[in-house]
Amino acid sequence: DADVTQTPRNRITKTGKRIMLECSQTKGHDRMYWYRQDPGLGLRLIYYSFDVKDINKGEISDGYSVSRQAQAKFSLSLESAIPNQTALYFCATSDPGQNYGYTFGSGTRLTVV
Amino acid sequence: RKEVEQDPGPFNVPEGATVAFNCTYSNSASQSFFWYRQDCRKEPKLLMSVYSSGNEDGRFTAQLNRASQYISLLIRDSKLSDSATYLCVVNIHDYKLSFGAGTTVTVRA
Repeated sequence: DADVTQTPRNRITKTGKRIMLECSQTKGHDRMYWYRQDPGLGLRLIYYSFDVKDINKGEISDGYSVSRQAQAKFSLSLESAIPNQTALYFCATSDPGQNYGYTFGSGTRLTVV
Repeated sequence: RKEVEQDPGPFNVPEGATVAFNCTYSNSASQSFFWYRQDCRKEPKLLMSVYSSGNEDGRFTAQLNRASQYISLLIRDSKLSDSATYLCVVNIHDYKLSFGAGTTVTVRA
């Protein structure tokens, strides 16, 4: 099994719908992150969490919310999806003891129509 | 100004060639530096960390120039399997990695 698992892998949804992307990890890392990737823009941080009680906004958090249900689970919600949220979404974990290198999930390709 | 900037390429090189490219970063307080590799539609994977004195990992050599605020990656004896997008990544704060948009390398037979 993958260290960081994201579901679903692909999703097409309609404008205005609520959608949740899920992430789980078996690495035992406290730190988890959600990024989105758009062509030509690189990965941009949406939210991050350093432990179960800790949630922090990243640079592009508007229109998104997160929940850290357990150390191993970090979910991302789009409350009312809009077309410019069409992107590739990655969950990642890190261990400060590993010089902050990240382990990424396989990504969720989301299309909002 | 973007925190991390890269030449998007693409760099098209024949097998066996050497290819090198740079990335620049804007924050002089940046603490850690990495190169990640990303294959088409896949997740980024850590290629190597970049240390102040420069470091090698097989055919890959990374250099850091703090004075000019850039890091570089050199690939020797290119293989077809080296075709990918290479992401320059900079750790500015405790929690936040900033990613460049990537440099695409295509190695042709």
